[in-house]
Amino acid sequence: QQQVKQSPQSLIVQKGGISIINCAYENTAFDYFPWYQQFPGKGPALLIAIRPDVSEKKEGRFTISFNKSAKQFSLHIMDSQPGDSATYFCAASTRGAQKLVFGQGTRLTINP
Amino acid sequence: NAGVTQTPKFRVLKTGQSMTLLCAQDMNHEYMYWYRQDPGMGLRLIHYSVGEGTTAKGEVPDGYNVSRLKKQNFLLGLESAAPSQTSVYFCASSYRIGQATPSNQPQHFGDGTRLSIL
Repeated sequence: QQQVKQSPQSLIVQKGGISIINCAYENTAFDYFPWYQQFPGKGPALLIAIRPDVSEKKEGRFTISFNKSAKQFSLHIMDSQPGDSATYFCAASTRGAQKLVFGQGTRLTINP
Repeated sequence: NAGVTQTPKFRVLKTGQSMTLLCAQDMNHEYMYWYRQDPGMGLRLIHYSVGEGTTAKGEVPDGYNVSRLKKQNFLLGLESAAPSQTSVYFCASSYRIGQATPSNQPQHFGDGTRLSIL
């Protein structure tokens, strides 16, 4: 049972374009929604996170949009750069032990 | 500051062999986690610990055991390795939510152990 569903599995974007990755969740008890970025041979690293009391959070070129009623959230990467090429994971957790439930991952390639 | 260190980085085992993966963190984090990463499935939680001497099961605990005798270390054991346990294993740690840290805390990951079971 996949509690967090992520799409697309892979994405190719031209340099300077906008990359959009979507996630949907089922458990309404989730109250923390982070995005992690992973480069080959490395562990995931936190990119940006949002709580459900806000609809949008922006950090530099990265924005999370959150739709609580639809139980969906998405990552937008503006002015995508080749250095953004990586695998991106959405995740969700409740409070307490902060156990993360991850989406399946999206391999993003930014063509120069 | 090393962060989260995993050893070994690579290992090949034969079916039925046992081994222990070591995770060490130097950030004084209370919480520690073990995940496995498989293609198309993201990361799945195996076991976790909310403090020294405590462990709990995650989403996919079968075939694994863990121990946390010291706050900075979290060990993952495979008693009798099976080919289905071929994966990349990641350890992570985080601060707990508390008075000083009221919001969810980011998990810091190691660079993984690539394990193949033949």
